[in-house]
Amino acid sequence: DAGVIQSPRHEVTEMGQEVTLRCKPISGHDYLFWYRQTMMRGLELLIYFNNNVPIDDSGMPEDRFSAKMPNASFSTLKIQPSEPRDSAVYFCASSVQGGNSNQPQHFGDGTRLSIL
Amino acid sequence: GDSVTQMEGPVTLSEEAFLTINCTYTATGYPSLFWYVQYPGEGLQLLLKATKADDKGSNKGFEATYRKETTSFHLEKGSVQVSDSAVYFCALRPVRGAQKLVFGQGTRLTINP
Repeated sequence: DAGVIQSPRHEVTEMGQEVTLRCKPISGHDYLFWYRQTMMRGLELLIYFNNNVPIDDSGMPEDRFSAKMPNASFSTLKIQPSEPRDSAVYFCASSVQGGNSNQPQHFGDGTRLSIL
Repeated sequence: GDSVTQMEGPVTLSEEAFLTINCTYTATGYPSLFWYVQYPGEGLQLLLKATKADDKGSNKGFEATYRKETTSFHLEKGSVQVSDSAVYFCALRPVRGAQKLVFGQGTRLTINP
């Protein structure tokens, strides 16, 4: 079975450029999560969606960050303009509600973002 | 608010040693508890879980018991291998939360041959 697919795996760009990260969740999953991982701050939840609708975006650091989920099989996280402090590994995860709400989140392999 | 605290790393052990990684939590009611593992260059993978007090989760030789009285979910393995080298995350799902997880800061484990 295909897992959560993220692209690109690595992104290096100059500050000020727009960055778009992409995620394809596992088919049938109705929750999608975006996380950021850094050495200093660990793993942070940025935003999550349920049935393509944003539920909690309180972790989005600032207006430069935006996330969309136009359909059940695709989501983007966009940073515009990017800054060096945005350098991190960004993970996408998905899960399904299930009958007992204890279904695990399945993570992609992440996008390693470097802003020069 | 809900939170998870893990023992600080990094942890370095020799092969076949006994492993304990401590995890304590703060939450209202009875959250579900999880251990995730992250191998180099990969995303997090579910290692084991427990959904109610006194439940024991186990997988790949790892075990953790949900202790409500001490609000703990310590990860243990009797004999570690080099391939267990990874970062381990303890996490909880709040009772009233939807699918949102609260993660600890992670503990880096290195096993030397």
